[in-house]
Amino acid sequence: AQSVAQPEDQVNVAEGNPLTVKCTYSVSGNPYLFWYVQYPNRGLQFLLKYITGDNLVKGSYGFEAEFNKSQTSFHLKKPSALVSDSALYFCAVRDGGQNFVFGPGTRLSVLP
Amino acid sequence: EAGVAQSPRYKIIEKRQSVAFWCNPISGHATLYWYQQILGQGPKLLIQFQNNGVVDDSQLPKDRFSAERLKGVDSTLKIQPAKLEDSAVYLCASSPIGGNSPLHFGNGTRLTVT
Repeated sequence: AQSVAQPEDQVNVAEGNPLTVKCTYSVSGNPYLFWYVQYPNRGLQFLLKYITGDNLVKGSYGFEAEFNKSQTSFHLKKPSALVSDSALYFCAVRDGGQNFVFGPGTRLSVLP
Repeated sequence: EAGVAQSPRYKIIEKRQSVAFWCNPISGHATLYWYQQILGQGPKLLIQFQNNGVVDDSQLPKDRFSAERLKGVDSTLKIQPAKLEDSAVYLCASSPIGGNSPLHFGNGTRLTVT
């Protein structure tokens, strides 16, 4: 069965600095990987996905993610953090069917 | 395109009462999911529909939870009787069949059981 780990409960970064939110996964077969963001009292919003192809995936709001097959990782990155990026971030993996499994989430705080 | 609609946004009930949540997915999305998100955790799948058929309900506590999607569009999720540990946000999501489409989520229903 597939699984997702997000090793950090909380990430703090100063505004303007680069940010990284980590994700590792376990799945049989080729992984389909996703990042979502959740703001307070809202549902999850899709940021980006990796299916095949380039290991660096670009998504919404200046976010990107780097897929590393040997390390089974899919870390979310942004070159310059904004205070408005403060939210809860979820990594998800989908198997060959349509089952999505979500990680426990990482709370990102961008400090002004 | 209109997003996934859910109602109500908030619900407070006492334990042993019943409650129902409603979801209207994005038009044309054949696959519909109900997730439970307990505070501080990631969403956990309760049930997945494709059109009006159940694809996966292995994690649905069937002694108290039920869900239906009779016409392959709207869906309702019911809890009867509710327990304190059912306090959570219930998220509905939809996606087209196949391909590599992401899930589209509604804003959820926050349930508090007292």
